[in-house]
Amino acid sequence: KQEVTQIPAALSVPEGENLVLNCSFTDSAIYNLQWFRQDPGKGLTSLLLIQSSQREQTSGRLNASLDKSSGRSTLYIAASQPGDSATYLCAVRQGRGHQGAQKLVFGQGTRLTINP
Amino acid sequence: SAVISQKPSRDICQRGTSLTIQCQVDSQVTMMFWYRQQPGQSLTLIATANQGSEATYESGFVIDKFPISRPNLTFSTLTVSNMSPEDSSIYLCSVGGPGNTIYFGEGSWLTVV
Repeated sequence: KQEVTQIPAALSVPEGENLVLNCSFTDSAIYNLQWFRQDPGKGLTSLLLIQSSQREQTSGRLNASLDKSSGRSTLYIAASQPGDSATYLCAVRQGRGHQGAQKLVFGQGTRLTINP
Repeated sequence: SAVISQKPSRDICQRGTSLTIQCQVDSQVTMMFWYRQQPGQSLTLIATANQGSEATYESGFVIDKFPISRPNLTFSTLTVSNMSPEDSSIYLCSVGGPGNTIYFGEGSWLTVV
């Protein structure tokens, strides 16, 4: 059974710092990994998707890496801003095709606070 | 990206009642997924809904408690039946989109009193 762990559970840093959020998963046979952002009282916003064959993806100040063999992914946020404050969730998808493989298994999330 | 609308966005429900949540997608999709997020917890898949067939439920979730309809390729409903305070959660609808990305609705926040 796939298990996803995110460390740290909470992180508070001053504005402008670069930071790294960690995600690990127990079963390396994944199809892809997706990072989401969740603001209080809101749904999930997709940030980055990394296919199992890829090593990293970048979008603006965000960079996500994937090391499938070691079961790890990191989300790097450069030059953090107060607007980056949110909970960040990583989720792995086991496969494609049949419906059971398309489900996402989520980590518990990292609650990030950027202090002005 | 897919645009997903959920109704209601929030509701306060009486214990023992049932509530139906609606999910509308702006494009046709084969599979729709229903997740639950209990307070302070991460998301857990309840079931997968295919158009034209019965929903497939994850371990720990049953059809009598969470009946699902999928009448067409853009719409689904999830009913939370005979609610108790333990059902107070965010219920989220999701679909697969371009590039294998999964998209979520804004969620339906239910509080059972």
